[in-house]
Amino acid sequence: EVQLVESGGGLVQPGGSLRLSCVGSGFTFSGYWMHWVRQAPGKGLEWVSHINTGGDSTTYVDSVKGRFTISRDNARNKVYLQMNSLRAEDTAVYYCVRSRGGFDYWGQGTLVTVSS
Amino acid sequence: DIVMTQSPDSLAVSLGERATINCKSSQNVLYNSNTRSHLSWYQQKPGQPPKLLIYWASTRESGVPDRFSGSGSGTDFTLTISSLQAEDVAVYYCQQFSSSPYTFGGGTRVEIK
Repeated sequence: EVQLVESGGGLVQPGGSLRLSCVGSGFTFSGYWMHWVRQAPGKGLEWVSHINTGGDSTTYVDSVKGRFTISRDNARNKVYLQMNSLRAEDTAVYYCVRSRGGFDYWGQGTLVTVSS
Repeated sequence: DIVMTQSPDSLAVSLGERATINCKSSQNVLYNSNTRSHLSWYQQKPGQPPKLLIYWASTRESGVPDRFSGSGSGTDFTLTISSLQAEDVAVYYCQQFSSSPYTFGGGTRVEIK
């Protein structure tokens, strides 16, 4: 059974940092692009970042460029999102997602709250 | 960036009736030289992550009931629920997976009339 489990969310002050982790199981992790998608409370879905299978190609939504960094460790079946210079508008549930033809498996999400 | 526009914002349909959701992209969402439109549809119920229903505009994900169907190409796409069931109450999103950033539509809330 494919599973994605996120961790690392929490309450952080504006300007602070957090590192989200996601561990995948039940599939060949190294064979899939991975993404982070976020959803602010009561709002829609926003794609944040992607990383290719080898980890040497990444893209980001403009609002997080220069602040967030995605990476992966295929030996540990993990993908990470390092989030720096956090802002109130980054408050959201962050989902780790696998993609194939579409975004076919999603984790349950981890809540990041940026507030003083 | 490709902007995805869904309509309507919300929809109330009687049980057993058809529900139709539209999605328009600001650019063609064909993937490179592939003839496939990289357009996906998701269903999200309260407190749950989204669930993939349709990818490549019209390919139903494994396990998705056949009352869900996707159509369209280029810039105009449709998700149809042929006979609405109570368990289909949810928010539905379209998404383009053609070029980064892989943008989502704003969502359509489907309710029972």
